[in-house]
Formats: sequence, structure tokens, C-alpha cells
Amino acid sequence: AQRVTQPEKLLSVFKGAPVELKCNYSYSGSPELFWYVQYSRQRLQLLLRHISRESIKGFTADLNKGETSFHLKKPFAQEEDSAMYYCALSGGSNYKLTFGKGTLLTVNP
Amino acid sequence: DAGITQSPRHKVTETGTPVTLRCHQTENHRYMYWYRQDPGHGLRLIHYSYGVKDTDKGEVSDGYSVSRSKTEDFLLTLESATSSQTSVYFCAIEGQDSYEQYFGPGTRLTVT
Repeated sequence: AQRVTQPEKLLSVFKGAPVELKCNYSYSGSPELFWYVQYSRQRLQLLLRHISRESIKGFTADLNKGETSFHLKKPFAQEEDSAMYYCALSGGSNYKLTFGKGTLLTVNP
Repeated sequence: DAGITQSPRHKVTETGTPVTLRCHQTENHRYMYWYRQDPGHGLRLIHYSYGVKDTDKGEVSDGYSVSRSKTEDFLLTLESATSSQTSVYFCAIEGQDSYEQYFGPGTRLTVT
């Protein structure tokens, strides 16, 4: 069975501070991992995919297979980063996504 | 927005009534998915489709049925709505290489 754990429901930081949103996964094979972001009352948007190794809006995420983690990081948080962030895993057949329960990030001025 | 729309966007209905939500895509993608989003639960897969007339259950399928008679439309039906089905429902389609998904704008359903 595949599982995604986001241990923090809420995370609050000040503008300009570093931010790290944690994600741990459980999967027996080679997973495809993603971060999705949802701004207030909007649709989910794909933020990052581990295989692309891109930096989007200043965010990066590194897959650590030894620790089964895919933490999302940004060195200097901005107020517009305030949103709900979901870590997701795709594995197995039919490309189904398993989501974590989400972390609500608030960046204070 | 990847050519995916949902209707209606908001609906209030009474317990015991049938409700159908529609997801429409213009991308001609094979895979389509229905999720529900609830505080403290994140997104959970209800049903998905891997082609016309080909559907399968997800994690929380009880009380829901789906149909896909055309590539572009994926319907989610609550046969007899209950208050526990009050939620925000998101439809998604596969992305360019199938592993990622693109989401619709969501339908906010309230069952009174």
C-alpha cells in the first residue's frame, strides 16, 4: 500500500524566513512524487515534480530515497506563498495519485 | 487551465435527493479522476476512468457512481445524497506523461 504523510497541518513563518514543508512516503517501488499548491478557494496546481528537478516560484524539493522523504523548501518565504500545499505520490497502475493531508502555510508580514 | 471544467460550481441539495456532477475536458485525455476534498483528510480518490465505459473504484467510492459515455465527459452521481457527502469535489485529468494530473475548478456541494 502507498501512503503519504505530511506531519504538519499548519506552518506559520515570517516573510523572508526559510520554509520547509515535510513529506514522507511509503511505497515499495519507485515512486513519482509531486507537490501541489492550492491558493484560497482555487483549483490545485502542480508546483513541482521530483523528476524534473526544476525550481518553481523559488521552491525546490529533493527526493531522498533513503529517508523516503520529499521535503519542499524555499529560502525566503513571501506573503504570496500562503496556501495549502499537498504532497502526492503516483505509483502502481492507472496513474492514481495518493495525497497527503496537506499543510497550510501562512507567511506573515 | 488544461481545458477542464466542472458543473455546477456550487450546489445545495437536500438529504435523499440524487445529484450529478459533470466534468468536461477538451484535451482528449484517456484518464479522468474524481476526488473529494475535506479538512483534515486532504484529497481522496472516489472513482476514476481509464477510457470510455471503463471505470474503477477509488478509496472512498461508497455512495457514489460514475459514468463515462464520451471521452470528454465524466459524471459523478450521488444516488441519495447524505450530509457526510458535503464536500468540495475535484475532477482531474492526466497530464502530458500521465503521471501528473491537472485539476478542474471544483464543485462545492452542500447536503442539508
